[in-house]
Order: sequence, then C-alpha cells, then structure tokens
Amino acid sequence: GDSVTQMEGPVTLSEEAFLTINCTYTATGYPSLFWYVQYPGEGLQLLLKATKADDKGSNKGFEATYRKETTSFHLEKGSVQVSDSAVYFCALSSSGNTGKLIFGQGTTLQVKP
Amino acid sequence: GAGVSQSPSNKVTEKGKDVELRCDPISGHTALYWYRQSLGQGLEFLIYFQGNSAPDKSGLPSDRFSAERTGGSVSTLTIQRTQQEDSAVYLCASSQFAGAGTEAFFGQGTRLTVV
Repeated sequence: GDSVTQMEGPVTLSEEAFLTINCTYTATGYPSLFWYVQYPGEGLQLLLKATKADDKGSNKGFEATYRKETTSFHLEKGSVQVSDSAVYFCALSSSGNTGKLIFGQGTTLQVKP
Repeated sequence: GAGVSQSPSNKVTEKGKDVELRCDPISGHTALYWYRQSLGQGLEFLIYFQGNSAPDKSGLPSDRFSAERTGGSVSTLTIQRTQQEDSAVYLCASSQFAGAGTEAFFGQGTRLTVV
C-alpha cells in the first residue's frame, strides 16, 4: 500500500541555520504531496503542497519539490527561526477522489536562539 | 464557526465504557475525515465521509469503532467498550471537496485517555 517515510527527529538547529527534512513516498499512480505543520498547542495546518511532478510548493520561506524520479518531497528552508519550532508531517493523497491522507511519522524541529 | 471544532478537548474514561467524540466541520465542506494520532502509530486514517455517506471506512481498527455524519455536517465517532490501546488524540478534518490535491483543515483534536 501507499506509505510515507520521513527522517527521524528530533532535529535541533540554531537560528538562521539551513533546514532539510527528508521525505520519500511509495504510491501507485500520481499522488499529491503535502507538508503539514503542528505548532505547540495548535492543530495541524497545511504548510505547502504539490500536485504533480516537478511542482514546487512554497510558503513562509519553506519549499519542497515533487521529485517523481526519486519519489521524494524534501522540505527545505534557508534560514530557520525560533518560531519554526514544531512537528512537521509529510503526507500524500493518492490519485482518486477521496482526499484521504497517508502521513509520515512526523519530525520534531527545535530551533535554538 | 471559522474552523473545525471538536469536543470534548479532553476525555478520560474507564476501560470498558463507551465514548462519543464530536466534530463540527467548516460550514459547506462536503468531505470529513477522522484520524488518530498516537505515540506508537503516528497519524492514522480512520474514516472518510462524503456528505452523510462513508465510502471509506478502511481505517477503523475494530468493530468497536463506528462513526456517523448527519445533515452533511456534524460527525460523531463512537468507541464502544474502550480499551487502553484506544488512548490517543482523535483528529477530525474537513475539506471543501474530496480530491487528491485538496487542502484538509484540522480541528484541535480530542485527547482520549482510557484508564
């Protein structure tokens, strides 16, 4: 079945460091790919998405590119801030009409001043 | 309301009791989803509603779990004869349409503790 694999955390970085969180997927067909973020004490919210190969999703300085050849959707940010400390979830939604999400395990990011 | 609302936010129940968890989706959203977030299993899909119908119940872990949706709006997830392994955060999400690229909006969740 479909699945998502994320790098294990926690990831601890200093402010202004470069961030990469790896995400790879297994799916039949052409899934849509997402990054969701869960800030402390808040609900899950969409960070960015890409719906077809070579699309780049971006938001709040974060970027991820849909790479079909490597089945990856790595999350990057050039300069992290303390306020980026959160849990990040990579997810896919298979081609089809349900919108059901398959999530990775989540990666905790802690940014220190 | 402006977002997806879930109640209660916290629920502690004794093993063997039944519990009901409620979800109020964003008005006008036709698709509604339940997920479970637990330490050992991460975020798991439970059930999907389109309107009042549930075309995908594949994630419900046992027949002790059931859900319904009425009026194309409010949904209730019921767990009968709760077990300790049911302890988790239960998340509800809604989206305007069902589809692979559609954004889902999540509630804050109900934290269920079975003692």
